[in-house]
Amino acid sequence: DIQMTQSPSSLSASVGDRVTIACRASQNIGNYLNWYQQKPGKAPNLLIYATSILQTGVPSRFSGSGSGTDFTLTISSLQPEDFTTYYCQQSYSTPPTFGGGTKVEIK
Amino acid sequence: QVQLQASGPGLVRPSETLSLTCAVSDYSISTGYYWAWIRQPPGKGLQWIGSIFHNGNSYFNPSLKSRVTISRDTSKNLFSLRLMSVTASDTAMYYCARQPSVKGGWFDPWGPGTLATVSS
Repeated sequence: DIQMTQSPSSLSASVGDRVTIACRASQNIGNYLNWYQQKPGKAPNLLIYATSILQTGVPSRFSGSGSGTDFTLTISSLQPEDFTTYYCQQSYSTPPTFGGGTKVEIK
Repeated sequence: QVQLQASGPGLVRPSETLSLTCAVSDYSISTGYYWAWIRQPPGKGLQWIGSIFHNGNSYFNPSLKSRVTISRDTSKNLFSLRLMSVTASDTAMYYCARQPSVKGGWFDPWGPGTLATVSS
């Protein structure tokens, strides 16, 4: 299985901050990388697929980049509703695997 | 817009079989896409369990393959998960989701999930 490692596991930031979350794959996955946002008690919600394509309805302050083994999710200006947990997921090979999550907390 | 809703018994005894269903609305599961099960133990991360294609072919996580069956009922527009010989480590929120493909595929949308607790 491809291992997905997110860093940091948690971070503290303020409204308006620019935040970057990293995701590293244990082998080359091309651009087969997706990002989800999960709010407490809710199912994950797709933010970005294929590394950098914003799902319909997702605010443009979210962006994704990377290729191969190293990827990033950037939130350009944190909003109050963005303080929650984010997961990356590789879809290069079966089984699809997820990172351990990054919790974004209010400073 | 397609919606998914998982349901199940909530409490399962150790060594028994967990059975869940996912009802799909506003899209016929026999038309296309893969239909997936994903679980999340309390306070932990996400694990893909398996997916069934619109033609009935299914794919499983090797770590669970020996205990998992995924089936579909096109007349009721739902798909189901059976997980045999459960233990406490199978306690989790179980989600169903749509997946456009196995390779390169993401999960969207997700149903709200159903909690399954394994306990005597």
